[in-house]
Amino acid sequence: AQSVTQPDIHITVSEGASLELRCNYSYGATPYLFWYVQSPGQGLQLLLKYFSGDTLVQGIKGFEAEFKRSQSSFNLRKPSVHWSDAAEYFCAVRFSGGYNKLIFGAGTRLAVHP
Amino acid sequence: DVKVTQSSRYLVKRTGEKVFLECVQDMDHENMFWYRQDPGLGLRLIYFSYDVKMKEKGDIPEGYSVSREKKERFSLILESASTNQTSMYLCASTTQQRNQPQHFGDGTRLSIL
Repeated sequence: AQSVTQPDIHITVSEGASLELRCNYSYGATPYLFWYVQSPGQGLQLLLKYFSGDTLVQGIKGFEAEFKRSQSSFNLRKPSVHWSDAAEYFCAVRFSGGYNKLIFGAGTRLAVHP
Repeated sequence: DVKVTQSSRYLVKRTGEKVFLECVQDMDHENMFWYRQDPGLGLRLIYFSYDVKMKEKGDIPEGYSVSREKKERFSLILESASTNQTSMYLCASTTQQRNQPQHFGDGTRLSIL
């Protein structure tokens, strides 16, 4: 079955520290990959996406993600976290089939200490 | 920018009521989606629509129905609300193009008492 796993439910980092949020998916082919961020009480905002080409993709707010086919992973990174990055982050995957349906991971809640 | 508007940010209803959640998008998107979001479960797809009057069940359609009479509007209906439908509901839209992301509204936090 197609699935998306975000192993870390909660992560706490200090402001200025680096960040990596993990995402793994189960699928034979290369899917379309997305990272979204959700601030408290808000909807989801697209951070970045990967479809093909360069496996390191840049997004908004200084985030980047790297697609690793051999590990079926699409981890999100930021070199220096700001207090405003505290939010919930969702990895989403579009598998085969129509209608641009997505499967979401359970999310990782990020807390940032001053 | 794409704008997806959900009619209510917060809604409180009573058990057994018929509840309507409305969603409107302004980008002429073909596909629209309704999700519910619960802690630890991420987003789960309730229903989606790929054209006017067309709909497909998602992963958790029980207790819900939808309506899409116009391309820009997608309504979620709780036929007889129950307390286990207390949740955050998110609407999204996208085009038919395979490489396009979904765009989300701000969500409706629904409480069923």
